[in-house]
Amino acid sequence: NAGVTQTPKFRVLKTGQSMTLLCAQDMNHEYMYWYRQDPGMGLRLIHYSVGEGTTAKGEVPDGYNVSRLKKQNFLLGLESAAPSQTSVYFCASRTEGETDTQYFGPGTRLTVL
Amino acid sequence: AQSVTQLGSHVSVSEGALVLLRCNYSSSVPPYLFWYVQYPNQGLQLLLKYTSAATLVKGINGFEAEFKKSETSFHLTKPSAHMSDAAEYFCAVTMGIKAAGNKLTFGGGTRVLVKP
Repeated sequence: NAGVTQTPKFRVLKTGQSMTLLCAQDMNHEYMYWYRQDPGMGLRLIHYSVGEGTTAKGEVPDGYNVSRLKKQNFLLGLESAAPSQTSVYFCASRTEGETDTQYFGPGTRLTVL
Repeated sequence: AQSVTQLGSHVSVSEGALVLLRCNYSSSVPPYLFWYVQYPNQGLQLLLKYTSAATLVKGINGFEAEFKKSETSFHLTKPSAHMSDAAEYFCAVTMGIKAAGNKLTFGGGTRVLVKP
């Protein structure tokens, strides 16, 4: 079991470029989440999914899009990167139980110049 | 609505001393509460969670937390700090609403420095 994996681990973009971050989980979890982590602000939810083919907005969705075409994968896209999107991005997954734990990936460090 | 406040963005303790990290929450329904730890350049891993059973919750690595409804608090403690406890700690809350994705709201984090 690899758990939750994220690719790439690091990326540098120029303003206006686009990219997609991939999150994969092999635990057959229903729920998946994308967060961004910025100093002093904890983790803030960007988008989430409660199942294959469904997505919903979180706390800070502007400038991002997501897709969940397969249950095990959750993609985060930046169509036109901005310096304000420089951050560390974490993906997480969990099962359906209301008290269940979220399992986190190792993160992707993105710098937008 | 749900929110979390962690008092103190940085805490410095001596090896062997008590570790106390403070967390206060607000929630419109009985909450579920979590503490996660993040070691440098890693993702978050669960330390412990409160799910409305015992109010004193024991976690990994000797940590424990007590849920106090009257104080809306869920403070994390460890009696004796070890050098390996140096990390960032996050308190999180969820109202457990399935229709809302059982979303977690995180506090701002507390970075712990352990002095020899």
